[in-house]
Amino acid sequence: DGGITQSPKYLFRKEGQNVTLSCEQNLNHDAMYWYRQDPGQGLRLIYYSQIVNDFQKGDIAEGYSVSREKKESFPLTVTSAQKNPTAFYLCASIAHPGQGNEKLFFGSGTQLSVL
Amino acid sequence: SQQGEEDPQALSIQEGENATMNCSYKTSINNLQWYRQNSGRGLVHLILIRSNEREKHSGRLRVTLDTSKKSSSLLITASRAADTASYFCATVPYGNNRLAFGKGNQVVVIP
Repeated sequence: DGGITQSPKYLFRKEGQNVTLSCEQNLNHDAMYWYRQDPGQGLRLIYYSQIVNDFQKGDIAEGYSVSREKKESFPLTVTSAQKNPTAFYLCASIAHPGQGNEKLFFGSGTQLSVL
Repeated sequence: SQQGEEDPQALSIQEGENATMNCSYKTSINNLQWYRQNSGRGLVHLILIRSNEREKHSGRLRVTLDTSKKSSSLLITASRAADTASYFCATVPYGNNRLAFGKGNQVVVIP
């Protein structure tokens, strides 16, 4: 079955620690996105990538980093510079951005909490 | 930046009733989309309406778009307990591939 796989489902971070959230897709989609969701809030864009080896900052990129070395993979690192990392993180993809049909396909999310 | 704003924020209805949610936005858009999220899960795309369309149907869902008022509505007819979820609108502004999400509407359907 095609889809987006996020792992782990739950992740705990200690003070000063970097953690990496995994996102893998087998949909052959060009673009991938990372969103942050806080309780009772909408989604805020962290980073996105439209092609391999290229990515752009979203609205809240500070304290996060990404890479896009393969089309299928778009890992997100939450660095120690992110002082309030507790949130639900969602990865998503779009088949062909810019063609007026930008339906997002989402993974099932990773809940990150601070110890 | 957040653009879609849903209203009302929370809705509780009896099974079989209709549920209506509204969304407003600020800039010109290419299309507007509605998504559904069950608690602790990812979002699922429900329906997309383009800026040159006024109404669209998908099963028990009906979406309208009024570009002059920069607003959209989502109607769920004959609601079921399984429709309990949060519903988000998202807009794709002109010249931009980035979807902007609203804060969401929590809908509870009481059996």
